[in-house]
Amino acid sequence: GDSVTQMEGPVTLSEEACLTINCTYTATGYPSLFWYVQYPGEGLQLLLKATKADDKGSNKGFEATYRKETTSFHLEKGSVQVSDSAVYFCALPVVEYGNKLVFGAGTILRVKS
Amino acid sequence: DTGVSQDPRHKITKRGQNVTFRCDPISEHNRLYWYRQTLGQGPEFLTYFQNEAQLEKSRLLSDRFSAERPKGSFSTLEIQRTEQGDSAMYLCASSLQGAYTEAFFGQGTRLTVV
Repeated sequence: GDSVTQMEGPVTLSEEACLTINCTYTATGYPSLFWYVQYPGEGLQLLLKATKADDKGSNKGFEATYRKETTSFHLEKGSVQVSDSAVYFCALPVVEYGNKLVFGAGTILRVKS
Repeated sequence: DTGVSQDPRHKITKRGQNVTFRCDPISEHNRLYWYRQTLGQGPEFLTYFQNEAQLEKSRLLSDRFSAERPKGSFSTLEIQRTEQGDSAMYLCASSLQGAYTEAFFGQGTRLTVV
C-alpha cells in the first residue's frame, strides 16, 4: 500500500541555519504530496503542497519539489527562525479512498536562538 | 467560520468505560475524517464520511469503535469498553470533495485511559 517515510528527529538547529527534512514515498501512480505542520498546542495545518511531478510547493519561506524519479518531496528552508519550531509531517492523499491522508511519522524541529 | 472544532479537548476515563467525542467540521465541507495519533507517530486514518455516508473504515477501527455523521453535519466517535491501548490523540478533519483539496484539522481530543 501507499506509504511515506520521513527522516527521524528531533532536528536541532540554530537560528538562520539551513533546514532539510527528507521525505520519500511509495504509491501507485503519481499522487499529490503535502507537508503539514503542527505548532505546539495547535492542530495540523497545511504548509505546502505539490500536485504533479516537478511541481514546487512553497509557503512561509519553505519549499519542496516533487521528484518523481527519486519518489521524494524533501522540505527545505534557507534560514530557520525560532518560530519554525514545530513537528513537520509529509503526507500523501489516497484518491481512491476519498483522499484519506497517509502520513509519515513526523520530524520534530527545534530552533535555538 | 471558526474552523474544525472538537470536543472535549481532553478526556480521562477508566478502563472499561465508554467515551464519545464530537467533531464539528467547516460548514460547507462534505467530507469528514477521523484519525488517531499516538506519541511519536503520524496520524493514522480511522474512517471517513461523505455527507452522512460512512464510506471507508480502517482495520484499526475495531468493533468497539463506532462513528456517525447524522444529517451530514457534525460527527461523533464512540469507543466502547475502553482499553489502555486506546489512549491517543483523536483528530478530526474536513474537506471539500475534489482531487487536490486541502483537509483542515481540528485541535484533537486527547484520550487517556487509566
